Amino acid sequence: AQSVTQLGSHVSVSEGALVLLRCNYSSSVPPYLFWYVQYPNQGLQLLLKYTSAATLVKGINGFEAEFKKSETSFHLTKPSAHMSDAAEYFCAVSDRGSSASKIIFGSGTRLSIRP
Amino acid sequence: EPEVTQTPSHQVTQMGQEVILRCVPISNHLYFYWYRQILGQKVEFLVSFYNNEISEKSEIFDDQFSVERPDGSNFTLKIRSTKLEDSAMYFCASSLGPASSSDTQYFGPGTRLTVL
Repeated sequence: AQSVTQLGSHVSVSEGALVLLRCNYSSSVPPYLFWYVQYPNQGLQLLLKYTSAATLVKGINGFEAEFKKSETSFHLTKPSAHMSDAAEYFCAVSDRGSSASKIIFGSGTRLSIRP
Repeated sequence: EPEVTQTPSHQVTQMGQEVILRCVPISNHLYFYWYRQILGQKVEFLVSFYNNEISEKSEIFDDQFSVERPDGSNFTLKIRSTKLEDSAMYFCASSLGPASSSDTQYFGPGTRLTVL
């Protein structure tokens, strides 16, 4: 069964510092991978997705993630954090080419930005 | 930009009552989903819907739950007899293609259901 594991339920960084949110996946076949962001009292917004076109995926708001098959990882990074990046971030996976139609989410990482 | 909308934003109900959560997916999308997020927990898949029938459902989606696309625009989730443990944020999502095609699922802002 597919799953994603997000390491660290809460990450705190200073404004301007590097953001690194960790995600590892488990899948018997190459998956599709996603990062979603949830701002307070809002829905889930897609940041970026990996579909095998390129291992380094660039998303909105300056975020990017790199698919590393050897490490089964899809970590999310941003070179310089802004206060507006404070939110909950979810890594997610769906099965490539199967009849399954769901996205499986990780438990989420809350990102706090210190002034 | 098109978006998924959900009503109401917050629903409070008594245990045992029926509730209907409403969603308007993006107009040209063909796949529809419901997810829920119990406070402090991960987002969980409930059900997917395509071509006027359920294509997949989770173990959570028992006989108390049903979905319907009553017209060309709305997609509803009905809980027949609510339980305390149904209290959660319910998200509707839609996509042009299935999740297996990597088509993006667009999520609505959610309905917070509180069962007293």
